Amino acid sequence: SAVISQKPSRDICQRGTSLTIQCQVDSQVTMMFWYRQQPGQSLTLIATANQGSEATYESGFVIDKFPISRPNLTFSTLTVSNMSPEDSSIYLCSVGVRGNTEAFFGQGTRLTVV
Amino acid sequence: KQEVTQIPAALSVPEGENLVLNCSFTDSAIYNLQWFRQDPGKGLTSLLLIQSSQREQTSGRLNASLDKSSGRSTLYIAASQPGDSATYLCAVCSGGYQKVTFGIGTKLQVIP
Repeated sequence: SAVISQKPSRDICQRGTSLTIQCQVDSQVTMMFWYRQQPGQSLTLIATANQGSEATYESGFVIDKFPISRPNLTFSTLTVSNMSPEDSSIYLCSVGVRGNTEAFFGQGTRLTVV
Repeated sequence: KQEVTQIPAALSVPEGENLVLNCSFTDSAIYNLQWFRQDPGKGLTSLLLIQSSQREQTSGRLNASLDKSSGRSTLYIAASQPGDSATYLCAVCSGGYQKVTFGIGTKLQVIP
């Protein structure tokens, strides 16, 4: 298994600003993912964070809006840029461990944009 | 593209009742299926994981079944308690290692 620490747990931000969310795992993992859950909606995959290279984004998500870093096998960041109220969501980090098809999730970051 | 549907969207039951939550998915080529619990404004708690080769998994009062050929899974909760009140999410891993597609969830309320 994997223990995931996600920071901050919640934040209230002004529109037009940016917020960086951190995801730290207690062990080296093969895959790291970022999801968004808008109010009343299910989780949607934003991107796969690739170690040492550019993230792979899903349809509808772009790097300029959601830049992602993954400098090593245990850490990743997601930045929500130039925020608007529509970005108010829960953002979750997920990881996968080699040899295990189970997905593990952090506790999420609840973002409110005012 | 995998699509996951959960029925019902919401459910309200009296304490002690047994209940069944349903999940269906469109692409049967899956690695596994997970059931999660989500409390309001919180992250996800993994309840049960069923590998594609398995038919069911049990944990305490919870039992999840998987019929991959028909694209269905059920989560059975026995002797429901008020503490079971939460949203239950079905998630299917397919089309990419450890990437999951979620249903919109079933919001459960257990009334004391």
